Amino acid sequence: QKEVEQNSGPLSVPEGAIASLNCTYSDRGSQSFFWYRQYSGKSPELIMFIYSNGDKEDGRFTAQLNKASQYVSLLIRDSQPSDSATYLCAVNTDRGNYQLIWGAGTKLIIKP
Amino acid sequence: IAGITQAPTSQILAAGRRMTLRCTQDMRHNAMYWYRQDLGLGLRLIHYSNTAGTTGKGEVPDGYSVSRANTDDFPLTLASAVPSQTSVYFCASSPTSGRGAWDEQFFGPGTRLTVL
Repeated sequence: QKEVEQNSGPLSVPEGAIASLNCTYSDRGSQSFFWYRQYSGKSPELIMFIYSNGDKEDGRFTAQLNKASQYVSLLIRDSQPSDSATYLCAVNTDRGNYQLIWGAGTKLIIKP
Repeated sequence: IAGITQAPTSQILAAGRRMTLRCTQDMRHNAMYWYRQDLGLGLRLIHYSNTAGTTGKGEVPDGYSVSRANTDDFPLTLASAVPSQTSVYFCASSPTSGRGAWDEQFFGPGTRLTVL
């Protein structure tokens, strides 16, 4: 079992709809969770981070964390074609260092 | 310089050759990382450094070495390149506030390396 799992996709969503991206993790000691966006041929860039159970909203993006079920999700409201990218989930380890464990990413396609 | 720079942008290398990928950050971040990204496998950590003068092995360290002589620079060396090292290499840094792995990582633009 991979430590951080994501559906590879592609996930196809109509423009204006809500895109829902999911991530599960195996380390119960993880405390910090990150969502990165990566456009084709570019480097990852941070969209949101979340530390506490519940929802965290930033503009059109909402991160949701459920530590009991060990999953974190990212919702994108009013999806735009510019949201088409690969979304990477990253989770800190409980190994006493600053490493993040990365999911393989979900490719999101927003159809106009 | 603003953020993290990497050089070269891309490189084609003959197998068996030695190659150093350069990474420089100007944010005074403590921690730095080298990842490789291959299709379908996501980001895999090669080596990391929590602070200048220290380094550690990541998930896929074989065939690679790093050094961290100062805060800003974190070069990655392939001593004798092999075709399986064909990949996109990303350098990243993190401020690390001392609360554990709570800080985001900032990425450089990447180096696309092809080993023939």
